[in-house]
Amino acid sequence: EIVLTQSPGTLSLSPGERATLSCRASQSVTSSYLAWYQQKPGQAPRLLIYGASSRATGIPDRFSGSGSGTDFTLTISRLEPEDFAVYYCQQYGSSLRTFGQGTKVEIK
Amino acid sequence: EVQLVESGGGLVKPGGSLRLSCAASGFTFSSYSMNWVRQVPGKGLEWVSSISSSSSYIYYADSVKGRFTISRDNAKNSLYLQMNSLRAEDTAVYYCARVVVPAADVGWFDPWGQGTLVTVSS
Repeated sequence: EIVLTQSPGTLSLSPGERATLSCRASQSVTSSYLAWYQQKPGQAPRLLIYGASSRATGIPDRFSGSGSGTDFTLTISRLEPEDFAVYYCQQYGSSLRTFGQGTKVEIK
Repeated sequence: EVQLVESGGGLVKPGGSLRLSCAASGFTFSSYSMNWVRQVPGKGLEWVSSISSSSSYIYYADSVKGRFTISRDNAKNSLYLQMNSLRAEDTAVYYCARVVVPAADVGWFDPWGQGTLVTVSS
């Protein structure tokens, strides 16, 4: 099973600031089969990024993904008020899909 | 509109059973792999199980293997999760989610249903 470790656990930032979230895999993720999801309280997760760097339909370009192998990053260039939420990475390249434990982006 | 609606959650005693359903609409259900993902309230996401479009490939997380069974009825556009020998640690919101790419066994998940709460308690 591929274990995904996200850091930091919590990111305290102000609107307008840049957010950098990390996701590290215990072994190489096949073909960069890595996705990022956003989740707000009481809501289902929402797809942001797939294939490590492709934005899903309707996702603003302030969200970007990068990385390969075992190290991946989600960057939010300028935080908007609606971006404060929990973010999860997920690998879907192995038969046992796994999620990271999440990074909470909170208002400072 | 592509939509997934889960049902069947509720309160069950430890050792009991429950069957969750996920009704799909707005797309050709038989062409897509499907998944169950759960979330303990206040905690992170945990992938539970996947099933390919024709049920040829089925996978389970180690935490539920041997106790849970995923299945689908393409004629009824429905996904199921039969949960047996339930434990307190199975208490969670259970989401169904579609793999985006048709006919693909692997892929990212979109959309997700709104979830159904399963509580295992005496």
